Amino acid sequence: QQQVKQSPQSLIVQKGGISIINCAYENTAFDYFPWYQQFPGKGPALLIAIRPDVSEKKEGRFTISFNKSAKQFSLHIMDSQPGDSATYFCAARVSSGTYKYIFGTGTRLKVLA
Amino acid sequence: SAVISQKPSRDICQRGTSLTIQCQVDSQVTMMFWYRQQPGQSLTLIATANQGSEATYESGFVIDKFPISRPNLTFSTLTVSNMSPEDSSIYLCSVEDRTGPGANVLTFGAGSRLTVL
Repeated sequence: QQQVKQSPQSLIVQKGGISIINCAYENTAFDYFPWYQQFPGKGPALLIAIRPDVSEKKEGRFTISFNKSAKQFSLHIMDSQPGDSATYFCAARVSSGTYKYIFGTGTRLKVLA
Repeated sequence: SAVISQKPSRDICQRGTSLTIQCQVDSQVTMMFWYRQQPGQSLTLIATANQGSEATYESGFVIDKFPISRPNLTFSTLTVSNMSPEDSSIYLCSVEDRTGPGANVLTFGAGSRLTVL
């Protein structure tokens, strides 16, 4: 099953709060899990990514938590800022056989000032 | 990472016509993909553009409707043929190198917003 399920669909957070977005997958052939940030009128841009042999990766205010046994991963945005207001997509890559990225359904984040 | 230029950035087209979207990359890249993003929705992979050979299409997308060319490692086109209002969407070109500094970085163009009347 080459799907990535993402939740919530939308999220409103106060400035300084923590934003948490969750994703789940079924296909154990996925070998790389990036998160993308998209602003209106722009293409998605890579935010942070993780491999399945690592349980957590942190870059500044952004952290990915990865649970291989549960086939789940999540993005945490600490100290959320109004400038973080964007749509976030999780993705999963399969590189055996057909090489491609599958994207989650997206989460529209709004951070209130 | 690679820099992608997509043309046109937007267009309004009449039903039954065809439109070709161009994707130019500032460096040679291994992988090129075309995605569709309907307003407020996720990204759906249309096809992988293979250099020098026929594109690999995802389920639900066919070559007659979305012919793709990739004559070299820096350029690709996607044509949306015989358009209907259901084809109104944003079409995104994306690239990745499978090795080297660009590996594991899927980079997107700004997209081509297509409206079919």
